[in-house]
Amino acid sequence: DAKTTQPTSMDCAEGRAANLPCNHSTISGNEYVYWYRQIHSQGPQYIIHGLKNNETNEMASLIITEDRKSSTLILPHATLRDTAVYYCIVRAGGGADGLTFGKGTHLIIQP
Amino acid sequence: KAGVTQTPRYLIKTRGQQVTLSCSPISGHRSVSWYQQTPGQGLQFLFEYFSETQRNKGNFPGRFSGRQFSNSRSEMNVSTLELGDSALYLCASSLVGSPNTEAFFGQGTRLTVV
Repeated sequence: DAKTTQPTSMDCAEGRAANLPCNHSTISGNEYVYWYRQIHSQGPQYIIHGLKNNETNEMASLIITEDRKSSTLILPHATLRDTAVYYCIVRAGGGADGLTFGKGTHLIIQP
Repeated sequence: KAGVTQTPRYLIKTRGQQVTLSCSPISGHRSVSWYQQTPGQGLQFLFEYFSETQRNKGNFPGRFSGRQFSNSRSEMNVSTLELGDSALYLCASSLVGSPNTEAFFGQGTRLTVV
């Protein structure tokens, strides 16, 4: 699986959009970009994933650059409950086998 | 539908003992994976089971083992516990057969070795 690079931490004001970047310059053509988050001491929660098109669901939007070397997770209206560590993972298969979690980005939503 | 259930939620064991943790996947999910999370090493993949067979294994010593039953429920066992085994152990389940599927994690079992 390709390696990802994320900022260690970010702050965002409550009610504003939170934009979390991820670099994955060695991504292969068959690899998806997945985002998970982990709220303190809970199990990771799936957010969204995509291959090359932008994706949106009820939680977030995923913007993937045309060359697929980077992506941005957007939480449109951040709330205090969105404070968590966000993990960007690149992999060819789905499921849970062998997910490689990096250090992720600690997103802190400020009141 | 019910999520991934892990039992027990908390456990305290003594060095040298062994421990068994349990995971019930989401109904219909046949793949179960286990992860260890520590402050120093982060989230690390232990192993994955599908149809009662271990398909993938992470870089952990043989003291860590697991199994999966015909109903897809899974257990992991750690023998001869060490202080460094203190961690949050997470189980995840998923459908298989498609590269386009997400994993669902349980709340974890917090193991403390004293």
